[in-house]
Amino acid sequence: DADVTQTPRNRITKTGKRIMLECSQTKGHDRMYWYRQDPGLGLRLIYYSFDVKDINKGEISDGYSVSRQAQAKFSLSLESAIPNQTALYFCATSGTSGRTYEQYFGPGTRLTVT
Amino acid sequence: GIQVEQSPPDLILQEGANSTLRCNFSDSVNNLQWFHQNPWGQLINLFYIPSGTKQNGRLSATTVATERYSLLYISSSQTTDSGVYFCAVESKSNYQLIWGAGTKLIIKP
Repeated sequence: DADVTQTPRNRITKTGKRIMLECSQTKGHDRMYWYRQDPGLGLRLIYYSFDVKDINKGEISDGYSVSRQAQAKFSLSLESAIPNQTALYFCATSGTSGRTYEQYFGPGTRLTVT
Repeated sequence: GIQVEQSPPDLILQEGANSTLRCNFSDSVNNLQWFHQNPWGQLINLFYIPSGTKQNGRLSATTVATERYSLLYISSSQTTDSGVYFCAVESKSNYQLIWGAGTKLIIKP
């Protein structure tokens, strides 16, 4: 089984709808992240969480919210989706010592807002 | 904030060729990571390399933190090496990863 899973893998939604993307991990890592990727660009950080009670805004948090339900689960919500939120969304995890600082990514969620 | 620049933006090579990808960053950082995004979108961590040199099979990476750059070497390229290679650096101020725009590598058979 994959260490970092994301659901759904693909989603098409309409402007104004609320949508939630979910991420689960079995790596035992404390840190979790949500990124978005637009075509031809690198990743940009939306939110990150260093433990269940610690949630921080990233570079592009406007229009998004998150919930860290447990160490292993981190969900991203778009309260009222807009077309320019069409992108590929990635969840990632990392640990807090040694090689576990490396970030490991889920397979991504391709979101289209029409 | 920290700027991360990767070069070249695009690279097309024949199978078997060697290549060097470069990542420059504008300020001191906690660490640097190299990633490969395959044509299906999956991101794989290649190296966690805040300084020094590491090797993994046909790939190796060197980071010279004092001069603020890192190099990724790919030897004897295979078609499966195609994709986009990203470097990302961790900011000392907020521990966020800042990503470069990537180098798109195409390996022709």
